[in-house]
Amino acid sequence: QSALTQPASVSGSPGQSITISCTGTSSDVGGYNYVSWYKQYPGKAPKLMIYDVTNRPSGVSNRFSGSKSGNTASLTISGLQAEDEADYYCNSYSSSSTRVFGGGTKLTVL
Amino acid sequence: EVQLVESGGVAVQPGGSLRLSCAASGFTFDDYNMHWVRQAPGKGLEWVSLISWDGGIRYYADSVKGRFTISRDNSKNSLYLQMNSLTSEDTALYYCVKARGHYMDVWGQGTTVTVSS
Repeated sequence: QSALTQPASVSGSPGQSITISCTGTSSDVGGYNYVSWYKQYPGKAPKLMIYDVTNRPSGVSNRFSGSKSGNTASLTISGLQAEDEADYYCNSYSSSSTRVFGGGTKLTVL
Repeated sequence: EVQLVESGGVAVQPGGSLRLSCAASGFTFDDYNMHWVRQAPGKGLEWVSLISWDGGIRYYADSVKGRFTISRDNSKNSLYLQMNSLTSEDTALYYCVKARGHYMDVWGQGTTVTVSS
């Protein structure tokens, strides 16, 4: 149950696009289309942004999109806005039926 | 409104035990699997445990296996986490989370557990 690998930080200017990667193994990210992404503001509970690799829950902006290639999943945020500044976590179903999170990525909007 | 409210978090000495509770409302509790997820101070999210809708299937992170027990009482719309043999590594904010499919769609606000002598 090793944590998925995410970059510690990413940054971008308003209006730009950024991508956060989430790398696992064939036993989790690569083996199933069950990657989800969560956004967390400091002191607040996480919020679901993407589920099952590419799906957006109702109410989440279409500026958020997800994808996967091999053992790496990605979250892309287009048209960056100040309100996007937060911590982002990926999560995957694992072959042992457990779940595993990434270490988290701090997004800074310059 | 779907709501999850955790309780039971306190300061406890190393080696001690604690039971966390989560009261669910606004949805049909026994239709859904439930998770516990924790977050140590200044750290990332860590998945802790999952229980099936009927309590018949339970999974644990290696870091808590053999020490923590997840359970639920569908008649009370409640989820629990019994935590034994606590260490400083268990100090964290513990979230109760509703499962939907293979993802987590509703989170509580968390309850804080501090393990310290």
